[in-house]
Amino acid sequence: DTAVSQTPKYLVTQMGNDKSIKCEQNLGHDTMYWYKQDSKKFLKIMFSYNNKELIINETVPNRFSPKSPDKAHLNLHINSLELGDSAVYFCASSQDRDSSYNEQFFGPGTRLTVL
Amino acid sequence: AQSVTQLGSHVSVSEGALVLLRCNYSSSVPPYLFWYVQYPNQGLQLLLKYTTGATLVKGINGFEAEFKKSETSFHLTKPSAHMSDAAEYFCAVTRPLSGGYNKLIFGAGTRLAVHP
Repeated sequence: DTAVSQTPKYLVTQMGNDKSIKCEQNLGHDTMYWYKQDSKKFLKIMFSYNNKELIINETVPNRFSPKSPDKAHLNLHINSLELGDSAVYFCASSQDRDSSYNEQFFGPGTRLTVL
Repeated sequence: AQSVTQLGSHVSVSEGALVLLRCNYSSSVPPYLFWYVQYPNQGLQLLLKYTTGATLVKGINGFEAEFKKSETSFHLTKPSAHMSDAAEYFCAVTRPLSGGYNKLIFGAGTRLAVHP
């Protein structure tokens, strides 16, 4: 069974469109994250939720909106897609909010290509 | 603020040779340090972590890392490289946030190539 799953794995879309990426974890973890990995493999956190509460909200355009319907799911909605949004987006989860001790488990990634 | 620097964006070794991937950190508080591996077209997987205690940390797949406070380093080593070790390796440090939260700060990554 996949611990952290993301859909879709690949997403190709036109500039200006709105798209969503879904993430689910079956590990019973309390905290979930969204990361963006650019073409140079640089990995940066975007958001983190703990028990459906937003706890980390990095400086990202407000076109990006995370939604957590329950603690097992964290979706990412992107409005008005731009070329610069092309990247691989990773979802991750950890047992609780303290990433000092807790391993983060990553999903397989969603490769977003904006044309 | 906490940060990590990985020296060498690409490292190439022969199969059976020593693997050494370098990571230096900057932290104003005692650091918690991690090494993650990313195989092609996959997510990241934890190799090992240092929080407190023993400075030599052993991880999965025969990797280990040593925390050296005096050198602010956390280099990753493996005595004998396998072809299956070819991947991207990321060093990371936690950065404390208000409210008792933390976030991971990743280095730029080192791509390890293993040739026969």
